[in-house]
Amino acid sequence: DAGVIQSPRHEVTEMGQEVTLRCKPISGHDYLFWYRQTMMRGLELLIYFNNNVPIDDSGMPEDRFSAKMPNASFSTLKIQPSEPRDSAVYFCASSTRDPLNEQFFGPGTRLTVL
Amino acid sequence: QKEVEQDPGPLSVPEGAIVSLNCTYSNSAFQYFMWYRQYSRKGPELLMYTYSSGNKEDGRFTAQVDKSSKYISLFIRDSQPSDSATYLCAMSRNAGNNRKLIWGLGTSLAVNP
Repeated sequence: DAGVIQSPRHEVTEMGQEVTLRCKPISGHDYLFWYRQTMMRGLELLIYFNNNVPIDDSGMPEDRFSAKMPNASFSTLKIQPSEPRDSAVYFCASSTRDPLNEQFFGPGTRLTVL
Repeated sequence: QKEVEQDPGPLSVPEGAIVSLNCTYSNSAFQYFMWYRQYSRKGPELLMYTYSSGNKEDGRFTAQVDKSSKYISLFIRDSQPSDSATYLCAMSRNAGNNRKLIWGLGTSLAVNP
């Protein structure tokens, strides 16, 4: 298996622009997670899905952030409009229904908002 | 107060040293205790886990959980330069459909040859 795939790997944009991050989870996994990682705040869960349905979006910072999962093999995280404080590494992860909840992470998207 | 506390370091040790990494937590409902390893510019990967309390050993790595003190540890024996990474602790409640992991900040480790 190719693992979790994310694109783009790097994104540099200007304040006010729309940013779309993409994720393909591991085939057969039931859960998909979006995280943001910064030095100051560590790894923060933004939202997670179960079988394409959003379960908990309490970590989404504000209305500028939205996430969708139209099918089992694709999810997007959109920021509109982007701000400099959104600069971070965004990870997508997926897991099975196993109680251990081992999460398999993608390589991340490094976002810089100027 | 955060649910999980972890000293971010950085920690720098010579090759061959024994390394001790620790996390404390406040929620007694946690059942799964995990250590993830994150290399630079990569996503975290599960290194070890313990269910409930006790010790678990895997090669040079030992994970310990002390639920009475709400304290978990990861020991690395005979540390190698390839162990240089950030180590994140994570915990979960094993509560039905609640799949949230509660993460520590991560401890940055450098093993110097």
